[in-house]
Amino acid sequence: GAVVSQHPSRVICKSGTSVKIECRSLDFQATTMFWYRQFPKQSLMLMATSNEGSKATYEQGVEKDKFLINHASLTLSTLTVTSAHPEDSSFYICMGQDGTGELFFGEGSRLTVL
Amino acid sequence: GENVEQHPSTLSVQEGDSAVIKCTYSDSASNYFPWYKQELGKRPQLIIDIRSNVGEKKDQRIAVTLNKTAKHFSLHITETQPEDSAVYFCAASTPRGYSTLTFGKGTMLLVSP
Repeated sequence: GAVVSQHPSRVICKSGTSVKIECRSLDFQATTMFWYRQFPKQSLMLMATSNEGSKATYEQGVEKDKFLINHASLTLSTLTVTSAHPEDSSFYICMGQDGTGELFFGEGSRLTVL
Repeated sequence: GENVEQHPSTLSVQEGDSAVIKCTYSDSASNYFPWYKQELGKRPQLIIDIRSNVGEKKDQRIAVTLNKTAKHFSLHITETQPEDSAVYFCAASTPRGYSTLTFGKGTMLLVSP
């Protein structure tokens, strides 16, 4: 069935480095990919929305130059956290939407920046 | 934009009791209201959803009601079990070209045996 595969599930990096998170849609084409961030014991906050082949739309307060989103194909979207700092430590999760509007969450990626 | 308020933030019940979680939304254009269950460190799992043309939907022990006039919707879990313990999120979707989900802040449900 349709799922979104997200990798890595956990990543630890040093402050100042960049980290790339990938989301692949399996058995469906993700026309839209949503990227959420979830801090401990908090809700899911939408960071940005991307449509295949076009630039992502970022929510207010989310730095587009820090959180680079690429959605070059209907089955792959990536989020790159550039120059990561400890305050970027969070649970990042993608959600793909198919052509019918159905939504599929990825497994999530736990980022820890030392 | 859409604003979703969710209450309570924590809910403790005894096994077998019912649990009710309530949400309100601000955007009258919202037309899709899913409920998710999230266990620690895992992705949210869709447990039930309702669209704006329906007032109530039930799936075994889980039911959702929607009052469009008052702009609120509720999750009802009957005969709760310890494995129902998790964080539950409500969400509202507003069509703006594509559907964007806005989540409530979550309710931590603890079911004691």
